[in-house]
Amino acid sequence: EPEVTQTPSHQVTQMGQEVILRCVPISNHLYFYWYRQILGQKVEFLVSFYNNEISEKSEIFDDQFSVERPDGSNFTLKIRSTKLEDSAMYFCASSDRENNSPLHFGNGTRLTVT
Amino acid sequence: GNSVTQMEGPVTLSEEAFLTINCTYTATGYPSLFWYVQYPGEGLQLLLKATKADDKGSNKGFEATYRKETTSFHLEKGSVQVSDSAVYFCALTPDSWGKLQFGAGTQVVVTP
Repeated sequence: EPEVTQTPSHQVTQMGQEVILRCVPISNHLYFYWYRQILGQKVEFLVSFYNNEISEKSEIFDDQFSVERPDGSNFTLKIRSTKLEDSAMYFCASSDRENNSPLHFGNGTRLTVT
Repeated sequence: GNSVTQMEGPVTLSEEAFLTINCTYTATGYPSLFWYVQYPGEGLQLLLKATKADDKGSNKGFEATYRKETTSFHLEKGSVQVSDSAVYFCALTPDSWGKLQFGAGTQVVVTP
């Protein structure tokens, strides 16, 4: 079964540094998402992306965050200047609304900001 | 706004026991309801879904029925196995494929 893949599985960075989290969605999917889960808390929606633009974003997704689909396969989340509170598990997801499919999630990237 | 409330964990039970995880929701209109499961070290996997009232989702021995009158979507399994140890998330979306609103998750620990 096709999978959403995320790299790296664990990223450690210093406060103030930029990080890029990478995702390869399922190949025929057209809708892409980022979620995050701070340790012990809920899984929270960050942003959805379709047709090379953001379709919806949450209040968490401020100017420090950006998303991009730089080529036909990758979908990235960039955090420009990381803060301690950005430490979380970040999940990428994709879906194929044409066939009414639910979201398929990757295994996540654990981001640790020190 | 939309919200999902599920019972707190951890839920610890013995192999072959009956499992119920309660989930209630608040939403306008007619959301679709989901259960996702997160096994240790892995991502979120769709376990089952229901898109309209009285629908029953089922998969791997798990079942949940969309109850509009009680705004609930409780997850049940008749006989759990050690391999069912995981965190279970109830979620909803106003449409069947859109942005998900998750509950807090319930950790289930099954002992031999």
